[in-house]
Amino acid sequence: DAKTTQPNSMESNEEEPVHLPCNHSTISGTDYIHWYRQLPSQGPEYVIHGLTSNVNNRMASLAIAEDRKSSTLILHRATLRDAAVYYCILRGGETSGSRLTFGEGTQLTVNP
Amino acid sequence: KAGVTQTPRYLIKTRGQQVTLSCSPISGHRSVSWYQQTPGQGLQFLFEYFSETQRNKGNFPGRFSGRQFSNSRSEMNVSTLELGDSALYLCASGLSYNEQFFGPGTRLTVL
Repeated sequence: DAKTTQPNSMESNEEEPVHLPCNHSTISGTDYIHWYRQLPSQGPEYVIHGLTSNVNNRMASLAIAEDRKSSTLILHRATLRDAAVYYCILRGGETSGSRLTFGEGTQLTVNP
Repeated sequence: KAGVTQTPRYLIKTRGQQVTLSCSPISGHRSVSWYQQTPGQGLQFLFEYFSETQRNKGNFPGRFSGRQFSNSRSEMNVSTLELGDSALYLCASGLSYNEQFFGPGTRLTVL
């Protein structure tokens, strides 16, 4: 699996937008970009995924660079409940099965 | 709809023993994956089962094994436990390969 690079930690204030970056310069044309997060004492939780176009869902938005070598997860209004470790993961399509290769992720702290 | 359930939630074993962990996926999900999470190594993929067949395997020794039953429930077994096997073991199930749903995990402590 291609490698991703994320900052170790980020801080945000409650009710402000948060932009979590991810670099994936060796991404291949068939790799999807997935984001998961892990709240304290819980299993990881799916957030969003995309291939080329920007994506929105009820939890977040995913902005993908035109060359696909980087992406940004956007939380539009951070809440205390969004404090978690966020993982950016590349997946090679259905042939890779359900396997997820987690990196170290970004620890997001949300200040009240 | 009930989520992924894992039993037991906590377990204490001693070195040399073996352990079996259980995972019940979300109803209708045929894919079940297992992960090990430790402070030092992070989240690491163990194996994936789909329709009772192992479809993918991570880089773990043969002491780690698993199986899946016809009702999609899965078990993983660790034999000859070592201190380094102390970890949170997570199970995930999915309907498609896109979104994986994780259980709360089983916290295994090896003394």
